[in-house]
Amino acid sequence: AQRVTQPEKLLSVFKGAPVELKCNYSYSGSPELFWYVQYSRQRLQLLLRHISRESIKGFTADLNKGETSFHLKKPFAQEEDSAMYYCALLLYNQGGKLIFGQGTELSVKP
Amino acid sequence: GAVVSQHPSRVICKSGTSVKIECRSLDFQATTMFWYRQFPKQSLMLMATSNEGSKATYEQGVEKDKFLINHASLTLSTLTVTSAHPEDSSFYICSARDRGQGNSPLHFGNGTRLTVT
Repeated sequence: AQRVTQPEKLLSVFKGAPVELKCNYSYSGSPELFWYVQYSRQRLQLLLRHISRESIKGFTADLNKGETSFHLKKPFAQEEDSAMYYCALLLYNQGGKLIFGQGTELSVKP
Repeated sequence: GAVVSQHPSRVICKSGTSVKIECRSLDFQATTMFWYRQFPKQSLMLMATSNEGSKATYEQGVEKDKFLINHASLTLSTLTVTSAHPEDSSFYICSARDRGQGNSPLHFGNGTRLTVT
């Protein structure tokens, strides 16, 4: 069955520290994965998608098919990075719907 | 950029009444829209896929008679919570994909906070 797992509910780091938000997936096909971010009182917005291989706001994520992972990383966290982060998997063969992990709250302390 | 507008942003209703939530794609057309439900600091749970001109597809465990979905045009989908109960209180979010961009990322509305008293 397809599934997205984010094992950490809360991740707390100090400003300037490296950050890694974990995401693992289960999918029989070729996965397309996304990271979405939700800042306080704002709508969910796309942070990055693996096929574009971009770096947005200093964040990167590499798809590791062997480990079925798509961890989100940033070398130096900023206070404004504090938000909820959701990993999502696109299900091509089910109308293109998106399923989400449980979310990780990132708290960056000064 | 692509914008999805959701209305109302907040609604309070009494038990037994029905509430309609609208989701509009403002600058693109969407043959498919998705309705999610989110509990505080928890994940988004997909409720149903709204298909323009045809019936919605509901996820397992979601009551289709309780959560009525209508997708009457390429820019509008509505979710009606019928005979609402306090346990229906939640944050409902819609999303849409630009029909002209294949499997592009979803764009999300701002959500509707429903409180049933």
